[in-house]
Amino acid sequence: GDSVTQMEGPVTLSEEAFLTINCTYTATGYPSLFWYVQYPGEGLQLLLKATKADDKGSNKGFEATYRKETTSFHLEKGSVQVSDSAVYFCALSDSSYKLIFGSGTRLLVRP
Amino acid sequence: GAVVSQHPSWVICKSGTSVKIECRSLDFQATTMFWYRQFPKQSLMLMATSNEGSKATYEQGVEKDKFLINHASLTLSTLTVTSAHPEDSSFYICSARTGTGDNQPQHFGDGTRLSIL
Repeated sequence: GDSVTQMEGPVTLSEEAFLTINCTYTATGYPSLFWYVQYPGEGLQLLLKATKADDKGSNKGFEATYRKETTSFHLEKGSVQVSDSAVYFCALSDSSYKLIFGSGTRLLVRP
Repeated sequence: GAVVSQHPSWVICKSGTSVKIECRSLDFQATTMFWYRQFPKQSLMLMATSNEGSKATYEQGVEKDKFLINHASLTLSTLTVTSAHPEDSSFYICSARTGTGDNQPQHFGDGTRLSIL
């Protein structure tokens, strides 16, 4: 079945460092891809999404490009802030709109 | 923006009791609601999908008689964990979406932490 694999955390960075969180997927069809963020004590929030190959999703300085050839959707940010500390989930949805999540990557940004 | 409210946020109860968790969409009509379970430091696992006015569709391995789902209105879905036991302790999260199409994202509640003694 469909699945999502993302890098294990925690990822610890200093403020203003460059961030990459890797995400790859396995799917039989043409899924939509998402990044969700979960701040401490809160629910999941949609960060960005891409619905077809070569689409780039972006929000709040975060970007991810839907790469069909490498089945990847890596999350990047050029300069992280302390407030970006959270757990990030990569996910895909198929035609049934069910979300399949990766295991989550905890990001800790130090001042 | 769209808000999904989940209640209670934390519940502790004795083994054998039943626990009801509510999921409400506050400013939109949720034609579809999803229930997830999240173990510590693990991903969210979809338990079931519920559409308003119809029976829920359960994922493989999820006991429908154990986890009763009701989606009686366009703004409310409930998950009842019947005769709960310690192995049912987990973090339960609901989400809701309206309409169809990829432009309608899922909006998530803040989750309910269930602890069975």
